[in-house]
Amino acid sequence: ETGVTQSPTHLIKTRGQQVTLRCSSQSGHNTVSWYQQALGQGPQFIFQYYREEENGRGNFPPRFSGLQFPNYSSELNVNALELDDSALYLCASSLNRVNTEAFFGQGTRLTVV
Amino acid sequence: DAKTTQPPSMDCAEGRAANLPCNHSTISGNEYVYWYRQIHSQGPQYIIHGLKNNETNEMASLIITEDRKSSTLILPHATLRDTAVYYCIVRVGTGANNLFFGTGTRLTVIP
Repeated sequence: ETGVTQSPTHLIKTRGQQVTLRCSSQSGHNTVSWYQQALGQGPQFIFQYYREEENGRGNFPPRFSGLQFPNYSSELNVNALELDDSALYLCASSLNRVNTEAFFGQGTRLTVV
Repeated sequence: DAKTTQPPSMDCAEGRAANLPCNHSTISGNEYVYWYRQIHSQGPQYIIHGLKNNETNEMASLIITEDRKSSTLILPHATLRDTAVYYCIVRVGTGANNLFFGTGTRLTVIP
């Protein structure tokens, strides 16, 4: 149990729709990152937020966007869903940008049909 | 960040030491070696990290060769709950986010 909670745990969306995934960071953590994990692959970094500002981004298109709120919880938004967006989406929080340990949530399983 | 190479799978008998190798021949002087694991249907879990010295914590030991081109994660007494995919990650600095996972090593602990 890492103290990082994600919601929902599963959802199904139709191609072209928009989706919002939510993450509640561990208490006191001001940095959150989002990862996408396709079946059989390792997680891929989407972006990181530090104190409500985007602080790094992986190789994902602009239709992947995020928000971090004053309480450091976070959202991942994906517009114009494609079939290849089907994956496990993981949120990770850490105490700050340079802290060594990231705590991952259980993830949200998104299926796009 | 330097690239890592790990065997795709390994087996280990329960109660024995599990030694998971990782090659990172292009590692640079300011890059750390991190290990995470992912048990089925869960998010990745941090295990240990190091720069050049060997490291030990309550979960595992990390042995880094003198030239830093390879390392070994050691689980001293593997249990069935250690069955997971283990990821070796090399990155600059001590920040744990923006991690680049590969496909890792699938360790199966056999009763």
